[in-house]
Amino acid sequence: AQSVTQLGSHVSVSEGALVLLRCNYSSSVPPYLFWYVQYPNQGLQLLLKYTTGATLVKGINGFEAEFKKSETSFHLTKPSAHMSDAAEYFCAVTLNQAGTALIFGKGTTLSVSS
Amino acid sequence: DTGVSQDPRHKITKRGQNVTFRCDPISEHNRLYWYRQTLGQGPEFLTYFQNEAQLEKSRLLSDRFSAERPKGSFSTLEIQRTEQGDSAMYLCASSFRDGYTFGSGTRLTVV
Repeated sequence: AQSVTQLGSHVSVSEGALVLLRCNYSSSVPPYLFWYVQYPNQGLQLLLKYTTGATLVKGINGFEAEFKKSETSFHLTKPSAHMSDAAEYFCAVTLNQAGTALIFGKGTTLSVSS
Repeated sequence: DTGVSQDPRHKITKRGQNVTFRCDPISEHNRLYWYRQTLGQGPEFLTYFQNEAQLEKSRLLSDRFSAERPKGSFSTLEIQRTEQGDSAMYLCASSFRDGYTFGSGTRLTVV
């Protein structure tokens, strides 16, 4: 069975600072990995995903993540935080098959201060 | 296509009442998923359909929860005899190949 662990339920950064949100996964088969963002009272918006191929994945709003199989990690980064990045971020995993359900981590709340 | 639609957006019900939520997926998406999200937690997978077939339902929280997708298009999630612990956001998602799209959810409050 797959699972996801997000290290740090809250991360606080200053505007312009590096954002690093950590995600480790467990999967018995090669995983598909996703990062979603959720703003208050809204649904989940896809930031980026890894399926196969290039291990460095670029997403929307300047975010990127790197799949590291040896470390079973898929950390999310952004070089320079913006106030609008403040939100809840979720890492998710699914089997390397189309259509199986996403399994989510518990989420990390990102706060950005001016 | 306007994405995944969920109705209602908010539902307040008294404990013990039954509630039903509806999800309309993206039309060409053959898979549909239901999740529950409580405050401060990630979405918790409940069940999913491929067309009208319910392929996974063991994660439904109790026998008070049931879901249908009778014609392989829209789906309903019913909770019978609601309890205060059922208060949560219920999310629907649909997928085709490896792309998942989420609706905005139905927020249930049981009083």
